[in-house]
Amino acid sequence: DSGVTQTPKHLITATGQRVTLRCSPRSGDLSVYWYQQSLDQGLQFLIQYYNGEERAKGNILERFSAQQFPDLHSELNLSSLELGDSALYFCASSAGGAHSYEQYFGPGTRLTVT
Amino acid sequence: ELKVEQNPLFLSMQEGKNYTIYCNYSTTSDRLYWYRQDPGKSLESLFVLLSNGAVKQEGRLMASLDTKARLSTLHITAAVHDLSATYFCAVDEGAAGNKLTFGGGTRVLVKP
Repeated sequence: DSGVTQTPKHLITATGQRVTLRCSPRSGDLSVYWYQQSLDQGLQFLIQYYNGEERAKGNILERFSAQQFPDLHSELNLSSLELGDSALYFCASSAGGAHSYEQYFGPGTRLTVT
Repeated sequence: ELKVEQNPLFLSMQEGKNYTIYCNYSTTSDRLYWYRQDPGKSLESLFVLLSNGAVKQEGRLMASLDTKARLSTLHITAAVHDLSATYFCAVDEGAAGNKLTFGGGTRVLVKP
């Protein structure tokens, strides 16, 4: 158990819908990262937040957005869902300091778009 | 754009034999990670390699890093069935933020 929690574990929804994935980092970690894992694209970095502010952005679609709240939990919002958005979405956290970069991954949310 | 390539993509192992997984990356980086993933599960951190020549060992797994060659290897000694999983290497460019760029993964199946 990494200490990172994600909810829900599974999500099944229809095309065109909007969903929110939630992540709570390990206690004390300031950085949260979102990754997408699919058969087509492999593991891809989406976005990083550090202490409430966006720090790095990867191949995140415009239909996707994220935020990190004052209590450091993070949410990933996916809208206008398409079949190709079906994937495993991981959240990871790290302490975020200059020498505290190791990322610990949560259990993931499996999203199925039908 | 940083590219990370692993090979082989699939490795069928016999118990008791030794094997190596290779991870090549395209730009300068001093931080390389190895993760293990069981089917449908999360990523478990195996090793963090932070400098040229770094070598780390845990049980039957040993990882090394050659930053000049931009190459890391994961060596498996005397494979056992419990090591069946997918192994990923990932590189951290170390720029603002610490996003990881992952290799495509190596699926390992250890047969008795």
